[in-house]
Amino acid sequence: QVQLVESGGGVVQPGGSLRLSCAASGFTFNDYGMHWFRQAPGKGLQWVSFIQFDGSNKNYADSVKGRFTISRDDSKNTIHLQMNSLRPEDTAVYYCAKDQGYLGSGSYYGDYWGQGTLVTVSS
Amino acid sequence: AIQLTQSPSSLSASLGDRVTITCRSSQGLSSALVWYQQRPGKPPKLLIYDASSLHSGVPSRFSGRESGTDFTLTISNLQPEDFATYYCQHFNRDLPTFGQGTRLEIK
Repeated sequence: QVQLVESGGGVVQPGGSLRLSCAASGFTFNDYGMHWFRQAPGKGLQWVSFIQFDGSNKNYADSVKGRFTISRDDSKNTIHLQMNSLRPEDTAVYYCAKDQGYLGSGSYYGDYWGQGTLVTVSS
Repeated sequence: AIQLTQSPSSLSASLGDRVTITCRSSQGLSSALVWYQQRPGKPPKLLIYDASSLHSGVPSRFSGRESGTDFTLTISNLQPEDFATYYCQHFNRDLPTFGQGTRLEIK
């Protein structure tokens, strides 16, 4: 079955950096795009970033553009989210999710989600 | 940007009831809408995609419907595990957007 396991969350000061990882199993990883979503404490869901199945296309929410970078390592069935210049408003649980679309440019929703990793930006 | 407005924001119901949650879009979406269920402390789970198609493994008591810019999620014969928060999401490459969520509680 599809399994997604996030890691790398923690507490960081404003202006700091963190690198999140998501290890995937249970499906042919390099056939699917992948997403990061987030959820601030007690709030709703927000899409953060997407990487296409072949890594050729990457998209970001305006709120993180220029600060966050998504990447994938198909040899390790893993995606990463490098987060720089972190702000208090980036505090959230970050979820990785598998895109539903097979190959192609992505369906832009997640059909399977990991358990999430908490990022807290605070001084 | 497309805005999604869910109603009600919260809802109380009893076991065995049938409930309907609405997600209204500011523009036509051409069926590009999904529904998720999120239990407390857990990640979202996909229920419905393309407005009305049931995701693999989801019980048939869940159903989705599209009517113009209104999308509905109906849950029949409520079970204890159905008490959760439900979100709609419009999927597009420019900006996937979510409704604010509907919390379903036990009466």
